[in-house]
Amino acid sequence: GENVEQHPSTLSVQEGDSAVIKCTYSDSASNYFPWYKQELGKRPQLIIDIRSNVGEKKDQRIAVTLNKTAKHFSLHITETQPEDSAVYFCAASGGTGGFKTIFGAGTRLFVKA
Amino acid sequence: DSGVTQTPKHLITATGQRVTLRCSPRSGDLSVYWYQQSLDQGLQFLIHYYNGEERAKGNILERFSAQQFPDLHSELNLSSLELGDSALYFCASSVSGGAEEAFFGQGTRLTVV
Repeated sequence: GENVEQHPSTLSVQEGDSAVIKCTYSDSASNYFPWYKQELGKRPQLIIDIRSNVGEKKDQRIAVTLNKTAKHFSLHITETQPEDSAVYFCAASGGTGGFKTIFGAGTRLFVKA
Repeated sequence: DSGVTQTPKHLITATGQRVTLRCSPRSGDLSVYWYQQSLDQGLQFLIHYYNGEERAKGNILERFSAQQFPDLHSELNLSSLELGDSALYFCASSVSGGAEEAFFGQGTRLTVV
């Protein structure tokens, strides 16, 4: 079935450094790739998304890249700040068998001040 | 506030019991999604409804069922509850159920004792 693999599961960086989270999806029909941030005890919230007809998208310190051939997409956070500490989920949507969004297992990001 | 309302926020019940979780989507949203998040785990897709009809099904147990009513609110029914069903259950909604942002509710924390 559909699957999204996300790495790493935990990431610790120094404030000001960059953080990169990588995801791979299995369903080649997927066409929408959102990234959600979940702070402790709170609901997931969209931070950036990319569609399959775009290779890269940037929003201030956050960027996402998509390689459709490799079925791989990544989140890049530059100049990390302590408030970036959270769990980040990638997801792949669309696909076959009805529209569903499959999430990766999540990456717990720690930004050390 | 995402505009998605979930009730109740907390629920404690015994094994073998049945509970109903309720979700009211954002005004104008036709799609409702249900997810299960166990402790320190990712978001497991359960089911997607669009305008009253089931659109996609994930790894939803046979003991679980859902429906979306004409007023577009949705209910997730969990029966014959087991300890392992203890989790945070999120509902999300989106406008049409396509490649677009989904807005999450605050979740219902279910504890089975």
